[in-house]
Amino acid sequence: EVQLVQSGGGLVQPGGSLRLSCVGSGFTFRSYWMHWVRQAPGKGLVWVSRINSDGSTTTYADSVKGRFTISRDNAKNSLHLQMNSLGAEDTAVYYCTRDLVDWGQGTLVTVSS
Amino acid sequence: DVVLIQSPLSLPVTLGQPASISCRSSQSLVYSDGNTFLNWFQQRPGQSPRRLIYKVSNRDSGVPDRFSGSGSGTDFTLRISRVEAEDVGIYYCMQGTHWPLYTFGQGTKLEIK
Repeated sequence: EVQLVQSGGGLVQPGGSLRLSCVGSGFTFRSYWMHWVRQAPGKGLVWVSRINSDGSTTTYADSVKGRFTISRDNAKNSLHLQMNSLGAEDTAVYYCTRDLVDWGQGTLVTVSS
Repeated sequence: DVVLIQSPLSLPVTLGQPASISCRSSQSLVYSDGNTFLNWFQQRPGQSPRRLIYKVSNRDSGVPDRFSGSGSGTDFTLRISRVEAEDVGIYYCMQGTHWPLYTFGQGTKLEIK
């Protein structure tokens, strides 16, 4: 069974940083592209970032480009999202997903003073 | 950028009756290889999203056959032949044709009358 277990959310002040993590199991992690998708409270899904299977290619939505960095450690079956210069508009539940098929449980990031 | 417009945004349905959701794209979703990367997701209340349909009309494993997808080019439809109580939630279309940027529709909230 595919599992994606997320960690690292929480409350952060505007301008601060946070790192999200996602550990995959039940599949060959190194073989899949991984994505982050977010959902602001009461709003729809918004794609954030993508990384290819070996980590050599990354892509970002314009709204996070230059502030967020996606990375992966295939030896540890883990995916990360480093988020810097956070603003209120980044408040959302963040989901990691395996190729947009299987999804983690989500982790809430709240940016507030 | 590709924009996906769903309609209706709210869909009250009587149990056992059919339901239909439209998704229209601002650009053709036919990729250069002939595939059309239009997916449908379901998000039940309090849960992570789940992919139902990929490449317009292919059901994911475990998805009941009362769900079906159709369409081509810029116009797509998700149909539920007979709505059940467990179908309550928000449905999103998503395009992956114009990668590396992915786009979701605004979501359609299905509720039981």
